[in-house]
Amino acid sequence: SQTIHQWPATLVQPVGSPLSLECTVEGTSNPNLYWYRQAAGRGLQLLFYSVGIGQISSEVPQNLSASRPQDRQFILSSKKLLLSDSGFYLCAWSSGDTQYFGPGTRLTVL
Amino acid sequence: GQQVMQIPQYQHVQEGEDFTTYCNSSTTLSNIQWYKQRPGGHPVFLIQLVKSGEVKKQKRLTFQFGEAKKNSSLHITATQTTDVGTYFCAPGTASKLTFGTGTRLQVTL
Repeated sequence: SQTIHQWPATLVQPVGSPLSLECTVEGTSNPNLYWYRQAAGRGLQLLFYSVGIGQISSEVPQNLSASRPQDRQFILSSKKLLLSDSGFYLCAWSSGDTQYFGPGTRLTVL
Repeated sequence: GQQVMQIPQYQHVQEGEDFTTYCNSSTTLSNIQWYKQRPGGHPVFLIQLVKSGEVKKQKRLTFQFGEAKKNSSLHITATQTTDVGTYFCAPGTASKLTFGTGTRLQVTL
């Protein structure tokens, strides 16, 4: 069966520090991969999605970037975090219309 | 992406009462999915609706897709405390979903 991993589960970072969040999927090949951000008590904002290795589509211009170095690995990065980057970051995968979410990373930028 | 409005944003019910959340679009949707997110958790897929006028049931949950495929609803009969969470509708094409703003459900004894 398919599983999706995200780490770390929680993260506290100072403003201006770099960020790297990793997501890996097991049990499937060539999935579509997604990064979402959810502010406290709010909906899901799609940040990036990828349909294949090295293929990244950005939905919202910001100081974040994404990379897909391997088929089942998706990385979210920032060179310098802002206070507004705080939130719940969710990775998801799909091979059809349904999306399956990872456990998420709760990021607090101080 | 396709924009949808979900109402209400929040509802508080007593256990045993019914609950309904609505998802409305100004454009025709090819399909719509529903997800549930428990407090502190991640969204979990509930169901997908594709056909005009489609009705699907999962135990106490009833999902409907409007005849014009511009709206959808989720109805929970006799809510339980386990129903607490935020319910999102998500129309989508080509595996790219646009999540609605969500309806947060609180159930108390």
